[in-house]
Amino acid sequence: DTAVSQTPKYLVTQMGNDKSIKCEQNLGHDTMYWYKQDSKKFLKIMFSYNNKELIINETVPNRFSPKSPDKAHLNLHINSLELGDSAVYFCASSPHLAGGLIGTGELFFGEGSRLTVL
Amino acid sequence: TQLLKQSPQFLSIQEGENLTVYCNSSSVFSSLQWYRQEPGEGPVLLVTVVTGGEVKKLKRLTFQFGDARKDSSLHITAAQTGDTGLYLCAGASGSARQLTFGSGTQLTVLP
Repeated sequence: DTAVSQTPKYLVTQMGNDKSIKCEQNLGHDTMYWYKQDSKKFLKIMFSYNNKELIINETVPNRFSPKSPDKAHLNLHINSLELGDSAVYFCASSPHLAGGLIGTGELFFGEGSRLTVL
Repeated sequence: TQLLKQSPQFLSIQEGENLTVYCNSSSVFSSLQWYRQEPGEGPVLLVTVVTGGEVKKLKRLTFQFGDARKDSSLHITAAQTGDTGLYLCAGASGSARQLTFGSGTQLTVLP
């Protein structure tokens, strides 16, 4: 059973299009995240949700909109795609909020979604 | 912004050699984690260290958290080709409410 699953794994699209990436976790975790990994393999947090509530929204363009219908799902919708959006996007979950008072927030990652904008 | 710098950025060694990867910051972290990422997959947690000076061993891997909780090291003894991957450290800070990832060390172990 896959713990954190995200779809699609690969996405190739034209500039200006709108696309979505879906993520689901079956670990019963409270917190879910979206990370972006650039070509230099640097992992940067984009959003985190705790029990469906937005906790972190880093300096991400508002073309990126996360949506958490329930605490097991966190989807990412991207409007008006740009060349610079090309990257690997990782969904992750943790039992509790990383850096919070409970636990140490270990992350469980999905396999990643490689987005290529042409 | 809390920055975690890893060194070296790239490391290529022969099977059987020992190596150490460093993770340094000017910030104090409540805990520090090490992940390994293989091509086409997400990072996988190896270990979490919490106490300053703490040493944890995972088979041939030895992790140490600095006394001041600002830095950490990962030592691999007798490296194997299966150790090849991207090693990432990540620091947790209550004030930031998130994990800050290091710049990564790409390790290649040659047969």
